[in-house]
Amino acid sequence: DQQVKQNSPSLSVQEGRISILNCDYTNSMFDYFLWYKKYPAEGPTFLISISSIKDKNEDGRFTVFLNKSAKHLSLHIVPSQPGDSAVYFCAASATGNTPLVFGKGTRLSVIA
Amino acid sequence: KAGVTQTPRYLIKTRGQQVTLSCSPISGHRSVSWYQQTPGQGLQFLFEYFSETQRNKGNFPGRFSGRQFSNSRSEMNVSTLELGDSALYLCASRPGTGANQPQHFGDGTRLSIL
Repeated sequence: DQQVKQNSPSLSVQEGRISILNCDYTNSMFDYFLWYKKYPAEGPTFLISISSIKDKNEDGRFTVFLNKSAKHLSLHIVPSQPGDSAVYFCAASATGNTPLVFGKGTRLSVIA
Repeated sequence: KAGVTQTPRYLIKTRGQQVTLSCSPISGHRSVSWYQQTPGQGLQFLFEYFSETQRNKGNFPGRFSGRQFSNSRSEMNVSTLELGDSALYLCASRPGTGANQPQHFGDGTRLSIL
């Protein structure tokens, strides 16, 4: 039972364009959502998060959108840069003694 | 500020052996979590420790165990290794256990079972 789903295993985008990575979740108790970026041979790096009381959070080139009714969130990267090429993981947690639940990741390739 | 440190980075074992992996969290972080990552899978939660107590455990067999010391450093142990245990094992730390506290990851230990 996969509670956090990233349905696109991979995505290719041209440099300078927008990258949109999507994530769906099934557990309505989730109230905190995070995105991590992972380069080969390194651990995941925290990128941006959003609480369920918001529908948008922005940090530089990265913006996360949350649609609670659709149980869907997305990460927008504008403009995309070659250094953004990595695997992106969506994760979610619920208030209380619950662990972070991760999606399987989307591999983003930004082509120069 | 030093990040999460995991040792060793790489490890090769044979079936039936046991292994211990080590994790030093970011200074001041008292929560340590462990995850397993296998090809094609996301990060599968193993367990979380806070103040030397296991707070949560994932759906893994009892061969997987862990502990946390008073200085917040943590170890995980896998006994009677199986081929399917080959994976990247990631440790993450955070200051406490609040749901809105991001986990900060180490670079992992790559375990290969022959």
